[in-house]
Amino acid sequence: EAAVTQSPRSKVAVTGGKVTLSCHQTNNHDYMYWYRQDTGHGLRLIHYSYVADSTEKGDIPDGYKASRPSQENFSLILELASLSQTAVYFCASSLTGGEYEQYFGPGTRLTVL
Amino acid sequence: GQQVQQSPASLVLQEGENAELQCNFSTSLNSMQWFYQRPGGSLVSLFYNPSGTKHSGRLTSTTVIKERRSSLHISSSQTTDSGTYLCALDPSSGSWQLIFGSGTQLTVMP
Repeated sequence: EAAVTQSPRSKVAVTGGKVTLSCHQTNNHDYMYWYRQDTGHGLRLIHYSYVADSTEKGDIPDGYKASRPSQENFSLILELASLSQTAVYFCASSLTGGEYEQYFGPGTRLTVL
Repeated sequence: GQQVQQSPASLVLQEGENAELQCNFSTSLNSMQWFYQRPGGSLVSLFYNPSGTKHSGRLTSTTVIKERRSSLHISSSQTTDSGTYLCALDPSSGSWQLIFGSGTQLTVMP
């Protein structure tokens, strides 16, 4: 079965600080995604990547950077964390884009104070 | 406007009752995925269903592309079915992302 892991599982950060969320997949998938979920809502796409060393913007990229140093690893970076970025963040991977199932990690709960 | 609309937003059942969750979409799609989100937050993929009907135990997913809708049927509900059910659309626009509905919060009472 597909395996996507995330670290940390939860984090408390201070406003203005730098936060890095990490994602690792062992599925040999080309595509990886970062979503955020706000309480009581569905998920929204922040960034995605279809090849190492390249990332693409999703629907809500402002305030976030992404890094894909290898096929297996995909990071989400908040250079200057803000209160509005308090949310649960999910990483996902898929074999290719479109027409293929996405597999999700367990999520990272981020609280910015 | 919102591309994916889920209904109902919340649903309370007595154990043993059936549930029908709906997802309507306003764009063409490659596929539809249904997820169960545990109270702790992790997502469990229930179905990947581009079209037609799929079964898994007490769960049935039906996607009708022409009518732009997908449904999730839960038969003989159990208290352990409680949680949030999310549908997600993979549009055929080539954007390679899932567009999520807001979810249905299901509570099954003993």
